[in-house]
Amino acid sequence: AQTVTQSQPEMSVQEAETVTLSCTYDTSESDYYLFWYKQPPSRQMILVIRQEAYKQQNATENRFSVNFQKAAKSFSLKISDSQLGDAAMYFCAYRSGWGAQKLVFGQGTRLTINP
Amino acid sequence: SAVISQKPSRDICQRGTSLTIQCQVDSQVTMMFWYRQQPGQSLTLIATANQGSEATYESGFVIDKFPISRPNLTFSTLTVSNMSPEDSSIYLCSVEGLAGDTGELFFGEGSRLTVL
Repeated sequence: AQTVTQSQPEMSVQEAETVTLSCTYDTSESDYYLFWYKQPPSRQMILVIRQEAYKQQNATENRFSVNFQKAAKSFSLKISDSQLGDAAMYFCAYRSGWGAQKLVFGQGTRLTINP
Repeated sequence: SAVISQKPSRDICQRGTSLTIQCQVDSQVTMMFWYRQQPGQSLTLIATANQGSEATYESGFVIDKFPISRPNLTFSTLTVSNMSPEDSSIYLCSVEGLAGDTGELFFGEGSRLTVL
């Protein structure tokens, strides 16, 4: 079974600075997706960024980018120019390209932005 | 993307009672997923619901406790039966994207249940 591990329960960063959230995963599959979701206090799960495993290029979405290391099974999220609205729980998630296609989530990292 | 509406948004329930959560999607989807998020925890999949067939439950979740209906391609319900305080959680409905296989799941706003 696939597992996702986020080793940082909490992180904090100064506004306008850069922060990196870590994620590792375990799988024997070659076809899969990786995601970072954000969950603010409103509890709505919001997709931040996605990465297809077959793509070597790291995904970027404005201030958000990932460092995808397939051989190391690592998928970190970098947030540049942190803003107060970035404060939330961040979940790393894995989705197989086959079968039932459920999302498997990591434990989450609570990100605090200090003004 | 898909717009997902969940009802109720939140509720306070008495021990031993049951509550049904509704999930309505604005377009037809094949699979719907029900997740549970216990306080301060991550999301755990309860079951996958396909239209016209029995839901598939994950290890640790059983149909008697969490019966699911999927009467059509836009609607599903999850019932939390014989509730205890341990069932106090956020329950989230999710579906796949529609415009091709972009991989991500979209989520409703969740239903926060508190069991006294």
